[in-house]
Amino acid sequence: GAVVSQHPSWVICKSGTSVKIECRSLDFQATTMFWYRQFPKQSLMLMATSNEGSKATYEQGVEKDKFLINHASLTLSTLTVTSAHPEDSSFYICSAAGHLRAIINQPQHFGDGTRLSIL
Amino acid sequence: RKEVEQDPGPFNVPEGATVAFNCTYSNSASQSFFWYRQDCRKEPKLLMSVYSSGNEDGRFTAQLNRASQYISLLIRDSKLSDSATYLCVVNDNDMRFGAGTRLTVKP
Repeated sequence: GAVVSQHPSWVICKSGTSVKIECRSLDFQATTMFWYRQFPKQSLMLMATSNEGSKATYEQGVEKDKFLINHASLTLSTLTVTSAHPEDSSFYICSAAGHLRAIINQPQHFGDGTRLSIL
Repeated sequence: RKEVEQDPGPFNVPEGATVAFNCTYSNSASQSFFWYRQDCRKEPKLLMSVYSSGNEDGRFTAQLNRASQYISLLIRDSKLSDSATYLCVVNDNDMRFGAGTRLTVKP
């Protein structure tokens, strides 16, 4: 069964709206969560890494004021796309890793993804 | 040079065929390797980890060559349900994804 739940799975909204995406780990405590973006026919691009209780680390080129990440608990991280515009339309996927991430060969568990369409 | 490079594909094969995907990575310090499968408009799902000694899971065989910084995935007796995009993933403290290779298995 799913170990990472992502919600919502599909969002369509007007330009200028802020959209919040939730990522929950169901069976374990996720000390680290990752947020990815995937454009059509392209691979996943890491946007940011969030650690519970601390500020997220953003990849180069990703605006932290645009993509707000909160990881307030060991089971929940949220990504808020602020003032979304059509170019933000994409497939956003979260993944989670528990404390075993320190053992580097542990794979990540992905959420179902959120398809965001900005009109 | 990209951190993880894969065969561009697409691969279109008949049912029952054997197909192989290749992947190279640039960071020699990479420590773990995976193949993920991604269906259209879905999240990636772990297919298998790749071990130094090579490993097999049913019809799927993964190989790692650290000296050449190369990993491979072999699918034998391909099924229609194997149609998907296969992502090569390398972990060098961050997960690095290849662009994916699309496979279509036809009747």
